[in-house]
Amino acid sequence: QKEVEQDPGPLSVPEGAIVSLNCTYSNSAFQYFMWYRQYSRKGPELLMYTYSSGNKEDGRFTAQVDKSSKYISLFIRDSQPSDSATYLCAMSDWVTGGGNKLTFGTGTQLKVEL
Amino acid sequence: EAGVTQFPSHSVIEKGQTVTLRCDPISGHDNLYWYRRVMGKEIKFLLHFVKESKQDESGMPNNRFLAERTGGTYSTLKVQPAELEDSGVYFCASSRDRGDTQYFGPGTRLTVL
Repeated sequence: QKEVEQDPGPLSVPEGAIVSLNCTYSNSAFQYFMWYRQYSRKGPELLMYTYSSGNKEDGRFTAQVDKSSKYISLFIRDSQPSDSATYLCAMSDWVTGGGNKLTFGTGTQLKVEL
Repeated sequence: EAGVTQFPSHSVIEKGQTVTLRCDPISGHDNLYWYRRVMGKEIKFLLHFVKESKQDESGMPNNRFLAERTGGTYSTLKVQPAELEDSGVYFCASSRDRGDTQYFGPGTRLTVL
């Protein structure tokens, strides 16, 4: 079983839609949760970073963490064609990984259509 | 501020050959990481340098892979001899301090024929 599960998609939505992206994980030691965005032929770029359970908002993006269910989500409001990319969840723990070793999901490919 | 750079962007080699990938981290970043994504799989951690010292190399697949960071600046990842299953995209990332945001380079796409 993978430590982090993420639906690869592809996910296609119309412009302006609310997008929900999710990951589940099995390692209860994970404490840090990140969402990266990756455009084609580019490296992953950090979008959101959360530590505790709850919600964190940044513009059109909201990251949600539920440690009791081992479930994290990224919501994108008013989606734009420029949001079309692959979204990767990533996690780390401080004890074994020193906060450095990121464990990624496979990524969800998102396409926002005009 | 220049980002993480990687060279080459793409390398095609034959099985059994040697390839060396290079990563230049963001200036001032002591922490440097190598990751790899093979086809259809998730990005996986390979190793972590703090300055010139290997802090964690638990993700290195086998002894055909050798990473160095002499002088604590740029890093190289050598694969010798390359095998078909080594094909994938190799990413480098850097951060200023441990646990800080990791900034990724564009990756080197390695194809082993």
